[in-house]
Amino acid sequence: NAGVMQNPRHLVRRRGQEARLRCSPMKGHSHVYWYRQLPEEGLKFMVYLQKENIIDESGMPKERFSAEFPKEGPSILRIQQVVRGDSAAYFCASSPTVGSTDTQYFGPGTRLTVL
Amino acid sequence: AQSVAQPEDQVNVAEGNPLTVKCTYSVSGNPYLFWYVQYPNRGLQFLLKYITGDNLVKGSYGFEAEFNKSQTSFHLKKPSALVSDSALYFCAVRPYNTDKLIFGTGTRLQVFP
Repeated sequence: NAGVMQNPRHLVRRRGQEARLRCSPMKGHSHVYWYRQLPEEGLKFMVYLQKENIIDESGMPKERFSAEFPKEGPSILRIQQVVRGDSAAYFCASSPTVGSTDTQYFGPGTRLTVL
Repeated sequence: AQSVAQPEDQVNVAEGNPLTVKCTYSVSGNPYLFWYVQYPNRGLQFLLKYITGDNLVKGSYGFEAEFNKSQTSFHLKKPSALVSDSALYFCAVRPYNTDKLIFGTGTRLQVFP
């Protein structure tokens, strides 16, 4: 059973460009979470999605960031007009069902560098 | 505010010695507590979790953690450290009836031969 897949693993963008990060959950998992890890910091929750629904986006910046989890295909975290402060590691996690006791399993992350 | 504290940025221990990585939390209601480990340039790997029941939880790679409600702590322990245990360890809490994990800032464990 393959784990959570994220691609690309490394992404370099210039200021003002768009970044698209993809996440494929573990087989059988229908819940996806995105977290951001700034250098030397812990992970911060961004958004929680189920298929075709955003359940909780309380951690998403108000502008430039969006996320989706379509019926078919991976979840996408999209950052428009990137700035240097967006440089971070972005981790996706998945869980099989909704519930506070469920373990979230993390992917390897995408490391975004904004020049 | 709900939060997790890992008071030590780094813990150094000699191989073969017991190790403890500390974690305290502040949440309303019953907490669900997790430990993850992160190796360089890798994602987080799940180690163990406390939901309910026995306060001593056993997890992967010989790690265990003790839930102490009165001290609001969930310290990670291992009786005999290995050099390969050297990594970054994160404590996390999932407050009751929410979907997000709240992470501590991490503790770097360095095990010396």
